[in-house]
Amino acid sequence: DTGVSQNPRHKITKRGQNVTFRCDPISEHNRLYWYRQTLGQGPEFLTYFQNEAQLEKSRLLSDRFSAERPKGSFSTLEIQRTEQGDSAMYLCASSFYGNTEAFFGQGTRLTVV
Amino acid sequence: SQKIEQNSEALNIQEGKTATLTCNYTNYSPAYLQWYRQDPGRGPVFLLLIRENEKEKRKERLKVTFDTTLKQSLFHITASQPADSATYLCAPPGAGSYQLTFGKGTKLSVIP
Repeated sequence: DTGVSQNPRHKITKRGQNVTFRCDPISEHNRLYWYRQTLGQGPEFLTYFQNEAQLEKSRLLSDRFSAERPKGSFSTLEIQRTEQGDSAMYLCASSFYGNTEAFFGQGTRLTVV
Repeated sequence: SQKIEQNSEALNIQEGKTATLTCNYTNYSPAYLQWYRQDPGRGPVFLLLIRENEKEKRKERLKVTFDTTLKQSLFHITASQPADSATYLCAPPGAGSYQLTFGKGTKLSVIP
């Protein structure tokens, strides 16, 4: 296992289009997190899964955002009707327990034009 | 609501010196706190975790302290090297949850 994998690494889309990102966590990790990061800011929490259950969502998460983790393995994050303000780095992380270190993927950089 | 502040957006130090980065938190009392390193265009990488009952934690040239009275964590890099240049992020958990809440980070530049 080589760590958390995210695909694609880069995505350019036109405003109004839908996009979907994929995250493959470290296989034995049951916790999975999505974060968003813009330039000069720290990662901002979006949502969290424990196995297949989505246990927490940020209040800042628009209804245009949805995430799934079927079977408690990989996860997808979909953004519908993208806006220019959605342009950011989307980071996925996984951990074995909640109070241990999180392992981050390389991120997917989204540019909405 | 809880707030995390890293006191410097950027810190420049001479190679060989000790870098000290500060993280202050308000409005809650986290049971632990993590520090991460982030290089440009890459995801954060875990460095150290310190729990509320630990005053200090060390790993090679890294040292973290956790003062629950001052609501502050200090992150030290001794004998700094240009390869230590990166953004360092402080990350306590969110109040009542397991998700991490990140500060803005401090961009450290170690000058040869």
